Amino acid sequence: GAVVSQHPSRVICKSGTSVKIECRSLDFQATTMFWYRQFPKKSLMLMATSNEGSKATYEQGVEKDKFLINHASLTLSTLTVTSAHPEDSSFYICSAPSGGATNEKLFFGSGTQLSVL
Amino acid sequence: GEDVEQSLFLSVREGDSSVINCTYTDSSSTYLYWYKQEPGAGLQLLTYIFSNMDMKQDQRLTVLLNKKDKHLSLRIADTQTGDSAIYFCAEKTGGFKTIFGAGTRLFVKA
Repeated sequence: GAVVSQHPSRVICKSGTSVKIECRSLDFQATTMFWYRQFPKKSLMLMATSNEGSKATYEQGVEKDKFLINHASLTLSTLTVTSAHPEDSSFYICSAPSGGATNEKLFFGSGTQLSVL
Repeated sequence: GEDVEQSLFLSVREGDSSVINCTYTDSSSTYLYWYKQEPGAGLQLLTYIFSNMDMKQDQRLTVLLNKKDKHLSLRIADTQTGDSAIYFCAEKTGGFKTIFGAGTRLFVKA
């Protein structure tokens, strides 16, 4: 299957700082990538759809100025959590579609555990 | 609205079959998925089924889809301790979003 690399896997930061998370498709191109947030023992919540060459599409309730998304190339999307606060602490996972007849398979990165002190 | 529900916990003995159930609400869903997540890791695509299919088998995994009842199940034959993980059901909706259930934590007793 396709490989999606996410970095860093874990980050601890002070309140008020910004954190950038990278998501790369290693062996395929992805014009679209998805960013999810996962709370403990909860499902994945879709935050936004990252589109190469255009603005990201944010889900209702997700602050676009708080969670900046940049899809710089066909293999890289970044999520920047700006002015992080403890309530932003969570597990963030990216994914990209690839393969199958209609790119219906969704491959995930290994996730980033963000802890804001 | 779009919703996917699944039971939160399942415990089985090693060697038995596990059956994880899921229900969804979007009748226009195109694909339904099963993902596996181990602690601190991303999601691994196990298998998926197109919405016009009833069943798909892949080695120890059998997926059954009842489109009328919007019910999806995953059967794992000869469950092993290495199968212990969280299993997520997901649907690709008619709006092309992928919606996930809360996950079923499978615990396999040796």
